[in-house]
Amino acid sequence: GNSVTQMEGPVTLSEEAFLTINCTYTATGYPSLFWYVQYPGEGLQLLLKATKADDKGSNKGFEATYRKETTSFHLEKGSVQVSDSAVYFCALSYGNNRLAFGKGNQVVVIP
Amino acid sequence: GAVVSQHPSRVICKSGTSVKIECRSLDFQATTMFWYRQFPKQSLMLMATSNEGSKATYEQGVEKDKFLINHASLTLSTLTVTSAHPEDSSFYICSARDSTGALARDTIYFGEGSWLTVV
Repeated sequence: GNSVTQMEGPVTLSEEAFLTINCTYTATGYPSLFWYVQYPGEGLQLLLKATKADDKGSNKGFEATYRKETTSFHLEKGSVQVSDSAVYFCALSYGNNRLAFGKGNQVVVIP
Repeated sequence: GAVVSQHPSRVICKSGTSVKIECRSLDFQATTMFWYRQFPKQSLMLMATSNEGSKATYEQGVEKDKFLINHASLTLSTLTVTSAHPEDSSFYICSARDSTGALARDTIYFGEGSWLTVV
C-alpha cells in the first residue's frame, strides 16, 4: 500500500538552529512527494514538492531531496526562525490526485 | 488569504443527529474536492473524493451512507455526518483541485478544517 512515516514527537529548537524532520514512505510505483505546512489557525499549505527520484524541492529556505534508494524525503532548513513554528506534514500522491499523509510534526522555535 | 473555506470551523452536535460541513473554493472552480479526517496524533486519512455532478468515490472502510457527500456545484462540496456518534468526533479537512487554472492549474488547496464534537 501507500503510506508515509514521520519521526515521532514534536520538535523544539532555538532560533537559527538547524532543522531536520525525517520522512520515509512506502508506495507502489513512483509517487510525487510533498511537504505541507500548517500554521496556527490556517489550512495546510504546500511547502515544496518533488516529482521524481533525485529531485530537490525547495522553498523559503527549506529543502528536501527525493531519495528512491532509501525511500526518504527528509525536510531540512539551515537556520530556523520563530515564524517557522508550525506543523509539518510529509505526503505522497497516488492516483487521481489522492494524498497519503504522515502524522505531522509540531515544530516550535524558541527565540 | 484563504482560497478554500470550510464552515463551520467548530461544531458540537448531539449523538444521533446529523451535521453538515461545507467546503467552498473561493477563487477557482473545482471539479474535484477531497475530504480527509484526522484523529488526534494521527495522520490525515482520505475519506472520499468528491466529484462535481457525480457520485463521490469512497476509500475502503468509509461508510458512504454515514458520510454523505454532495458536490452540486463547481465551488461547493458538502459532507454530512448522519446519525453522528461520539466516535465520529474528529477534525475534518477538505481540499480542492484548481481545475481550470484560475490560480494554478491542478494545484490542490486545503481548507482550514472543521472540528466536530459529538456529545
